[in-house]
Amino acid sequence: AQSVTQPDIHITVSEGASLELRCNYSYGATPYLFWYVQSPGQGLQLLLKYFSGDTLVQGIKGFEAEFKRSQSSFNLRKPSVHWSDAAEYFCAVGVGDNDMRFGAGTRLTVKP
Amino acid sequence: EAQVTQNPRYLITVTGKKLTVTCSQNMNHEYMSWYRQDPGLGLRQIYYSMNVEVTDKGDVPEGYKVSRKEKRNFPLILESPSPNQTSLYFCASSSTRIQDSPLHFGNGTRLTVT
Repeated sequence: AQSVTQPDIHITVSEGASLELRCNYSYGATPYLFWYVQSPGQGLQLLLKYFSGDTLVQGIKGFEAEFKRSQSSFNLRKPSVHWSDAAEYFCAVGVGDNDMRFGAGTRLTVKP
Repeated sequence: EAQVTQNPRYLITVTGKKLTVTCSQNMNHEYMSWYRQDPGLGLRQIYYSMNVEVTDKGDVPEGYKVSRKEKRNFPLILESPSPNQTSLYFCASSSTRIQDSPLHFGNGTRLTVT
């Protein structure tokens, strides 16, 4: 069955430090992969997506993610975190034409 | 502005009192879906709709109903709410395929059932 695992429930980083959020997926075929961000009181906003081609994808707000088929991973990175990046981050895998399976989320806290 | 609008944002009700959460999108999307978000579980799909009059169960449909009489609207109905339906609910929409149009989400409805 398709599934997404985000091993870290909560991560704290200092402002200006680099960030990596982990995501592992289980899916039989070539996956469609997504990262969403949820700010407090808001819905989910798409950060980036991977369908095919270059395994390093760029997203909005300075985020990037790298697809590694051998590790079944799609980790999200940012070189320098800003206080406004504090939010909850969800990794998701596309299933069929429309459905998605979401991970449990990683909450990011940014220290001044 | 392209958006998915849910109402209400907050709702407190009592066990057994029927309620409806509305969802409307202005992007002419065929696909609409309801999710519930619970701590440690991420988002789980309740129901989805591929188009008008076409709906199907997601992963956690028990205790919920939906209808899709118009393309833009996809209300979520709880006929007899129970405390285990206390959750944060999201409506989402997309065009025919997520490859072409990833999900757009509403701002959520926080439901408390006492």
